[in-house]
Amino acid sequence: EAGVAQSPRYKIIEKRQSVAFWCNPISGHATLYWYQQILGQGPKLLIQFQNNGVVDDSQLPKDRFSAERLKGVDSTLKIQPAKLEDSAVYLCASSPPTGTDQETQYFGPGTRLLVL
Amino acid sequence: QKEVEQNSGPLSVPEGAIASLNCTYSDRGSQSFFWYRQYSGKSPELIMFIYSNGDKEDGRFTAQLNKASQYVSLLIRDSQPSDSATYLCAVRMVRFGAGTRLTVKP
Repeated sequence: EAGVAQSPRYKIIEKRQSVAFWCNPISGHATLYWYQQILGQGPKLLIQFQNNGVVDDSQLPKDRFSAERLKGVDSTLKIQPAKLEDSAVYLCASSPPTGTDQETQYFGPGTRLLVL
Repeated sequence: QKEVEQNSGPLSVPEGAIASLNCTYSDRGSQSFFWYRQYSGKSPELIMFIYSNGDKEDGRFTAQLNKASQYVSLLIRDSQPSDSATYLCAVRMVRFGAGTRLTVKP
C-alpha cells in the first residue's frame, strides 16, 4: 500500500513570496490533516478535512494560509505571503474512514520550508 | 496553560534500563491519547494509543493513563539505542505536546 505522498520535499523562498504544497493521502482515507512543525516543537494542526469538508481550521492563520481538498482526495496548502516564522516542516497525514482503524493517522515525509 | 505538556528533556538512560516519559493535558473531557516516536529528520510514527484508565502493554512499551490526574505516561522496557528519538504525546490524536528527546546510551 502506498503511503502519504507530499511534494515538494524542500522549498526555499524569500519572505513575501508565495508557496504551495501538495499532498496525496493513502487511497480510501477520508480524513486528511495538515500540520506545521517548527524545529524543536510538536506538530501543530493547521487544518483537518473529512472528505472535502473542513472539520477543524481553528489554528490556521487565515490571513496568509489557505488549503483546499477538491474531490475529497488530493490537497494543497498555500502560504501567501510567507513570513520568516513560517520556516518549518509541513506534514500531511491521513486516516481511514470512521469504523475502521480510525484512530491511526499516517504521516507523509513532509515538506521542509525555509523562508529567507 | 498549554493543552499538552511534556518535559522536553533530554532524557538519557543506559541500554537495558526503563525509560519513563510523561505527559499532562488540560482538557478534562479528552478521551483518546497517543504516543508517537519521531526520529530526527523523519515524520512521527504511532507507537500506541490508550483510551481507558490503567495500563496498556504492547511489547516493550506500556502506556499508562490516569484521567483523574490528567496524566499519561509511556514506559519503555529494556531500552535500546534504536529507541533514541523524540517521543510525542498527543491528545485526541491531533493536539501534540512539544515532545521529549530520549537518548539511550550503549
